[in-house]
Amino acid sequence: GAVVSQHPSWVICKSGTSVKIECRSLDFQATTMFWYRQFPKQSLMLMATSNEGSKATYEQGVEKDKFLINHASLTLSTLTVTSAHPEDSSFYICSASGPIGDTQYFGPGTRLTVL
Amino acid sequence: AQTVTQSQPEMSVQEAETVTLSCTYDTSENNYYLFWYKQPPSRQMILVIRQEAYKQQNATENRFSVNFQKAAKSFSLKISDSQLGDTAMYFCAFMKRRTGNQFYFGTGTSLTVIP
Repeated sequence: GAVVSQHPSWVICKSGTSVKIECRSLDFQATTMFWYRQFPKQSLMLMATSNEGSKATYEQGVEKDKFLINHASLTLSTLTVTSAHPEDSSFYICSASGPIGDTQYFGPGTRLTVL
Repeated sequence: AQTVTQSQPEMSVQEAETVTLSCTYDTSENNYYLFWYKQPPSRQMILVIRQEAYKQQNATENRFSVNFQKAAKSFSLKISDSQLGDTAMYFCAFMKRRTGNQFYFGTGTSLTVIP
């Protein structure tokens, strides 16, 4: 149990376009989901925390108009990178907090390449 | 604020030998969880082991065990009988014991198992 999926796993887009990444908890309800960004050989950097039905809380330095997060249901959160630029190229990982809140379950990540 | 420190950016170990990865943390909380995650080249975050701070007994999962020293705020991971598949980035993480709380990650240790 406790599986989190992400779609797509890899996306290439042109500069100036928007890209949506989906994060789904497949077999549990996730009241809280987290979005991370990871550069090569570095740790995970928390971008934002989203709770179902409310606005996401962004970490300092993360542009909320650039990285739109929607947590519309207890099993789905989406991250939309708007007007993507090459510097947005990165690996994006989502995680979901389980019902007991004693751990997080991670998705497999999405590799974004902006040309 | 919580901080997690991993002072060993890179480590290597001979196959079948034992290796210990270090992690220290700083917090004023009394109830929390500590985790070790493995991130292989696929970049999927895999939970290796979890420790609840109120439990004095060190957690163990097959070849993986921890040395949890609460007073010293130390949480090291011991890998016994190292296998080639253990080659990965290892992240230490801290989470307050409350639903929906975020992880605080260390900077990671890149472990290479040498055949």
